[in-house]
Amino acid sequence: QKEVEQDPGPLSVPEGAIVSLNCTYSNSAFQYFMWYRQYSRKGPELLMYTYSSGNKEDGRFTAQVDKSSKYISLFIRDSQPSDSATYLCAMSSSASKIIFGSGTRLSIRP
Amino acid sequence: ETGVTQTPRHLVMGMTNKKSLKCEQHLGHNAMYWYKQSAKKPLELMFVYNFKEQTENNSVPSRFSPECPNSSHLFLHLHTLQPEDSALYLCASSQVTSGTGADQPQHFGDGTRLSIL
Repeated sequence: QKEVEQDPGPLSVPEGAIVSLNCTYSNSAFQYFMWYRQYSRKGPELLMYTYSSGNKEDGRFTAQVDKSSKYISLFIRDSQPSDSATYLCAMSSSASKIIFGSGTRLSIRP
Repeated sequence: ETGVTQTPRHLVMGMTNKKSLKCEQHLGHNAMYWYKQSAKKPLELMFVYNFKEQTENNSVPSRFSPECPNSSHLFLHLHTLQPEDSALYLCASSQVTSGTGADQPQHFGDGTRLSIL
């Protein structure tokens, strides 16, 4: 079993829709959770960084962590064509290196 | 210049060539990383440097040789590569405050797209 599982997609939704991206993990020691956005021919860009369980909101983006289910989500409200990218989840503990998911390709249709 | 800068952006080389990738970070961080990104696979950590000292070598073949002359610069020297080494090579940096430093997010450059003929 992989430490971090992420559906590769592709996921295609119409403009304005709410997007839900998810990752599951197996290591209950993970405490730090990140979401990165990667545009084509660019490096990953940090979107959200959260510690432990709960929600964090930043503009149209909300990161949610459910440690009891070992499940994290990224919600994008009012999705725009400019949100089309690959989204990578990542997580770590204070004793481990950062582990990345393989990424979900998202396409927002105008 | 801001963030993490990588050069060159694209590199095509033969299997017998020797070339180097360069990374420079302008974030004042004390740790730098090399990753390999292949299609539909998670990022593969290759090397970690904390305070210019190599702290991790993730079973990387010796045809990849890292160098970290100071906390702002990182190089990856390449020689006699194989076709399967074709990938996007990403450099990242972070601020290590304790332990492995994995409690702090990493900031990435835009990578070098490497093609081996």
